[in-house]
Amino acid sequence: DGGITQSPKYLFRKEGQNVTLSCEQNLNHDAMYWYRQDPGQGLRLIYYSQIVNDFQKGDIAEGYSVSREKKESFPLTVTSAQKNPTAFYLCASSIRGINIQYFGAGTRLSVL
Amino acid sequence: DQQVKQNSPSLSVQEGRISILNCDYTNSMFDYFLWYKKYPAEGPTFLISISSIKDKNEDGRFTVFLNKSAKHLSLHIVPSQPGDSAVYFCAASVNSGGSNYKLTFGKGTLLTVNP
Repeated sequence: DGGITQSPKYLFRKEGQNVTLSCEQNLNHDAMYWYRQDPGQGLRLIYYSQIVNDFQKGDIAEGYSVSREKKESFPLTVTSAQKNPTAFYLCASSIRGINIQYFGAGTRLSVL
Repeated sequence: DQQVKQNSPSLSVQEGRISILNCDYTNSMFDYFLWYKKYPAEGPTFLISISSIKDKNEDGRFTVFLNKSAKHLSLHIVPSQPGDSAVYFCAASVNSGGSNYKLTFGKGTLLTVNP
């Protein structure tokens, strides 16, 4: 079954702690994305990657970091510099050259 | 500055009737538009899209209309079903040179279809 898997589903962060959200896809898509959703808000782009070993900042990259060492994986680290990390995080992927993005089920991050 | 606007936070319709969800955009460079459906605590699911070279695209019960001069698009669902109850997001992108670029999302409209 092809798809995008995000883990964990729920994550709790302590003050000053870095946490990493996992995103894996077996769709053979080139491009991957991370979005953040806050209550009553649309999705805002954090980072995106169109190819392995390359990624670009989105609209709200401060306090986040990513890596793209493998085509199928695009982990997101929420660093202690992100002062308001509580949100629903969504990973997406797409075929290069096609605008339709497909989303995982999301990770809900809360601060303890 | 919000480039994609969904001015109705919520919409309620009766089962079997038409649902019309609206979306306005300000960036004239947008040339590809998408609608996504999202249930609580799940990721958005792609519904339907339209390129700026068209003014209508239809897929089963879902039709998207694009009015470029007004920078407005709408999603029609006919007939509406209770399972259509979800948040609907409008999204837009600039299709530049065949490369993937970010989607800019509206804030969403909560559709409730009453039995």
